[in-house]
Formats: sequence, structure tokens, C-alpha cells
Amino acid sequence: AQSVTQLGSHVSVSEGALVLLRCNYSSSVPPYLFWYVQYPNQGLQLLLKYTTGATLVKGINGFEAEFKKSETSFHLTKPSAHMSDAAEYFCAVSAYFTMDSNYQLIWGAGTKLIIKP
Amino acid sequence: DTGVSQNPRHKITKRGQNVTFRCDPISEHNRLYWYRQTLGQGPEFLTYFQNEAQLEKSRLLSDRFSAERPKGSFSTLEIQRTEQGDSAMYLCASSLEGDFYEQYFGPGTRLTVT
Repeated sequence: AQSVTQLGSHVSVSEGALVLLRCNYSSSVPPYLFWYVQYPNQGLQLLLKYTTGATLVKGINGFEAEFKKSETSFHLTKPSAHMSDAAEYFCAVSAYFTMDSNYQLIWGAGTKLIIKP
Repeated sequence: DTGVSQNPRHKITKRGQNVTFRCDPISEHNRLYWYRQTLGQGPEFLTYFQNEAQLEKSRLLSDRFSAERPKGSFSTLEIQRTEQGDSAMYLCASSLEGDFYEQYFGPGTRLTVT
């Protein structure tokens, strides 16, 4: 069965520092991978996605993520953190086949990003 | 229409009462999803529709929960005989058909059962 693990429920970085949010997945079939962001009192918004092709994908607000099949990882990075990046970030995997259904997005538990001034 | 809308945004109800939430998806999206999210957790899949057909329903979904999308446009999620454990954020999302199309989320309905 597919699963997603996000390491660290909270990550704190200083403004201007590198942001690294970790996501590992398990999937028996080639996955599609997503990062979503949730600002307080707002809906989830797609940051970026990997489907096929180039393994380094760029998203909105300067974020990017690299699909590493050998490591089953899809870590999210941003070179320089801004105060406005403070939010909760969710990694998700979609696979055509799961034990329960032929389509489902499986979500990680989320990582809250805290930006220190 | 620029996004997914959900009503109401907040609902407080007493245990045992029935509640109904509404979701209006992006008009050209034929897929509509319902999720539940509790504090500190990612969204938990409940069910999804393709047009008016309910194609998948989570095994975790109690019989007290029912969802409809009668004309393939808006959807309603009803919870009968609410329990305190039903307190959560209920999220609706819509997308075009296909596994890799982005899901667009609404702001959610926060349910509190007292």
C-alpha cells in the first residue's frame, strides 16, 4: 500500500536560510507526487507536482522539489526563507492502483514551517 | 467563479443532530472529492465523484455519512446523528479527470460537535 512520511511535524528556520522539508513515500507503482501548502484559515494550495519527465520540479513562491526514485524521496526546498512562507506543508502521493481503490491521494501528516526573524 | 467554495465555513452542533455541508466546485471540473482533516494530520480521503457518480468511498466512512452530487455540479455531505469524534475540518476539492491533475481545495467547513 502507498504511504507518505514527512519527517518533523515542525521545522524552524531563520529568515533568509535554506528551507528543507522532507518527504518519503512508498509505492508499488510509479507515483505522482505533490506538495501542497496550507496557510492559516485557508484551503490547501498546490505548490508543485511531479508526474513524469524531469525529476527536479519548480513550483510557486521559489520552491522546488526533486524526485529521487532510489531514495523514494521528494524533499521540498527553497534557498532563502521569507516570513510569508510560514505555513503548513503537506506531501501527497497518487498512484493509479491501491489495495482499496483505483485512485486515491495519500497524504503525509504535514510539517509546520516556522520562520524566525 | 475563481475557486471552490464551501458553506458554511463553521458549524457548531449538538451531539445527535444532523448537519449538511455544501461544496461548489470549479465549474469545468468533473471530479469532486471530500476529505476530513483533524489537527496535526493530513487530509483523510472520504469519497469522490466523477460527474454525478460516486466512484469511491473510504472504508473508514461510517454509514452516518452520505454524500450526493445530484446534477454533477455542487455536492452535499450529510452527517447524521453527529458524534463528538466527528469534529474536524471537512474539505472539498475538485479537479479535471485523471490521476495527475491538480486538486483545487475549498477553504473547508469546520465542524464542532458539543
